[in-house]
Amino acid sequence: VQLQESGPGLVRPSETLSLTCSVSGGSVNTGHYYWSWIRQSPEKGLEWIGYIYYSGDTNYNPSLMSRVTISRDASKNQFSLTLMSVTAADTAMYYCARDLGDGYTLYHWGQGIPVVVSS
Amino acid sequence: DIQMTQSPSSLSASVGDRVTITCRASQGIGNYVGWFQQKPGKAPKSLIYSASVLHDDVPSRFSATGSGTQFTLTISSLQPDDFATYYCQQYNTYPLTFGGGTTVDIK
Repeated sequence: VQLQESGPGLVRPSETLSLTCSVSGGSVNTGHYYWSWIRQSPEKGLEWIGYIYYSGDTNYNPSLMSRVTISRDASKNQFSLTLMSVTAADTAMYYCARDLGDGYTLYHWGQGIPVVVSS
Repeated sequence: DIQMTQSPSSLSASVGDRVTITCRASQGIGNYVGWFQQKPGKAPKSLIYSASVLHDDVPSRFSATGSGTQFTLTISSLQPDDFATYYCQQYNTYPLTFGGGTTVDIK
């Protein structure tokens, strides 16, 4: 399976960050897999944002829960991250990932996409 | 959240050295730990899951042990390809959390 992130690299403060992960070699709505978003910054290190399960169930990091939504588009075989009201603290490399099939091992990763929040 | 504390944060070593990295969890997490390797400009790569199980493509010079709150990753004989940053991660409890990383560089 291969994953590829896409989206704008620059977002204005207070606006909404939207990223998409395109999946090949697997389907986002079959196979009992967890499709996750993780971000990485020098300040916070690696931070798990949340996942969408193949069934559509979601689970988010409580630290971001009020601002984050993860959704999927099975027709395009993609899943997406939406993060509202961004600040400079949301500047990071954003990764999408899929588990190994065991429910927790983050095994397949995209290459990452850098996002800068700045006016 | 469960805090994962890695030590050291960095180390310098030579090819052929034995390297050990430690990860301590803020509460017991059984064996729900994974280890990742990350090279500059690349995504993290999963090396180990369930505290001690190597993926098929991971060289046998890597090993890991631990349960509860103390975990270690060992590289028995450091190779040039191993210079990288290593992270532990717990998946006992959501939110998933990672250690701060250990950078292994060339002495």
